[in-house]
Amino acid sequence: GAVVSQHPSRVICKSGTSVKIECRSLDFQATTMFWYRQFPKKSLMLMATSNEGSKATYEQGVEKDKFLINHASLTLSTLTVTSAHPEDSSFYICSARDLSENYGYTFGSGTRLTVV
Amino acid sequence: AQKVTQAQTEISVVEKEDVTLDCVYETRDTTYYLFWYKQPPSGELVFLIRRNSFDEQNEISGRYSWNFQKSTSSFNFTITASQVVDSAVYFCALSEAGRTYKYIFGTGTRLKVLA
Repeated sequence: GAVVSQHPSRVICKSGTSVKIECRSLDFQATTMFWYRQFPKKSLMLMATSNEGSKATYEQGVEKDKFLINHASLTLSTLTVTSAHPEDSSFYICSARDLSENYGYTFGSGTRLTVV
Repeated sequence: AQKVTQAQTEISVVEKEDVTLDCVYETRDTTYYLFWYKQPPSGELVFLIRRNSFDEQNEISGRYSWNFQKSTSSFNFTITASQVVDSAVYFCALSEAGRTYKYIFGTGTRLKVLA
């Protein structure tokens, strides 16, 4: 089945620094990937849709300049949390769809970001 | 508007008990997809099932079974003879067959299976 790899799985950074999270589709090409955020003991909220070769589409309330998304190739999307602050600490997870399979998206393993 | 409601925030059962996790959804689309995912403490989302709106057949997979009822907009998940390894957060999700294929997740149900 389709595999989505997300890296790193955990990251701790200092306030004010930027952190990049990678999401790769390992055995398929993904023109669209999605980025979600999950607060502790909460549900997953869609942050943005990452489109290969074009600008990402952000959900209402998500700061575009804070969460930079780049989908430079058909197998890689990156989410950069810029000038991170403790309130950005969260679990970030991406998903992608293998069009050769029946409908359904595969999720990455997630990245736990802690900003200190 | 689309919405997924998982009214049970947390459920505790003793091993070998059966447990049903409820999911109620709202959508105006006639074509949509429903999912269940398991999120163990490690955090990854494990796909359990996908069901499209035109298929109301119930499904059984080992100890897992799903009851999809369009009349009540529900897609409930039952674990038979629960095991400690079933302890996790379970999410129900909805996706409409529109342009963006976005997932709308419920708030999740934390299942604790006690030995």
